[in-house]
Amino acid sequence: AQTVTQSQPEMSVQEAETVTLSCTYDTSESDYYLFWYKQPPSRQMILVIRQEAYKQQNATENRFSVNFQKAAKSFSLKISDSQLGDAAMYFCGSGGGADGLTFGKGTHLIIQP
Amino acid sequence: EPEVTQTPSHQVTQMGQEVILRCVPISNHLYFYWYRQILGQKVEFLVSFYNNEISEKSEIFDDQFSVERPDGSNFTLKIRSTKLEDSAMYFCASKGRGGPSSYNEQFFGPGTRLTVL
Repeated sequence: AQTVTQSQPEMSVQEAETVTLSCTYDTSESDYYLFWYKQPPSRQMILVIRQEAYKQQNATENRFSVNFQKAAKSFSLKISDSQLGDAAMYFCGSGGGADGLTFGKGTHLIIQP
Repeated sequence: EPEVTQTPSHQVTQMGQEVILRCVPISNHLYFYWYRQILGQKVEFLVSFYNNEISEKSEIFDDQFSVERPDGSNFTLKIRSTKLEDSAMYFCASKGRGGPSSYNEQFFGPGTRLTVL
């Protein structure tokens, strides 16, 4: 069984600044991956970044990076140089191979111009 | 770029009616999924489908739900007798080759908003 916890229902950041979204997880899987999906007002689910649990190096995708602490079961998302288009709900989650994904409750990110 | 499509975008139905939500996954993908998101809540896994059979299902996926891949392209979710609490956004997703242990991305469709009156 997997559980994912996002403790920040809402975060606000000034445009061009950096923000970190928190996520903790628990899983009984030995082989799993973690991810962040973005959901704008259109409600489309868009993959932001993915991390395989066996990899020690933190994943990076342009302005998005993660801080993966496996022992602490923590997987935070850092967004640098925040842009207005980053405003959305962000869902942290985990999955194992072909399994269905388990999502947290989401963090609503507000970008202030 | 290939994408997952879903029809209809919005479905309104009366309580007790049957609905079928349709999805066309990405053409060379092998793993198919349905998720549900009640308004303001998290996205919840319903069912996964591989090799023409259900591979995993959640507690939400009870006897009123069924899935089918009637041909080589469509993947459907049927809700037999809708209830008010079935009102939600339903997302289809698909995942490509690489075997069950691969970490290929699940690509989500745009969703079907189901409203049960």
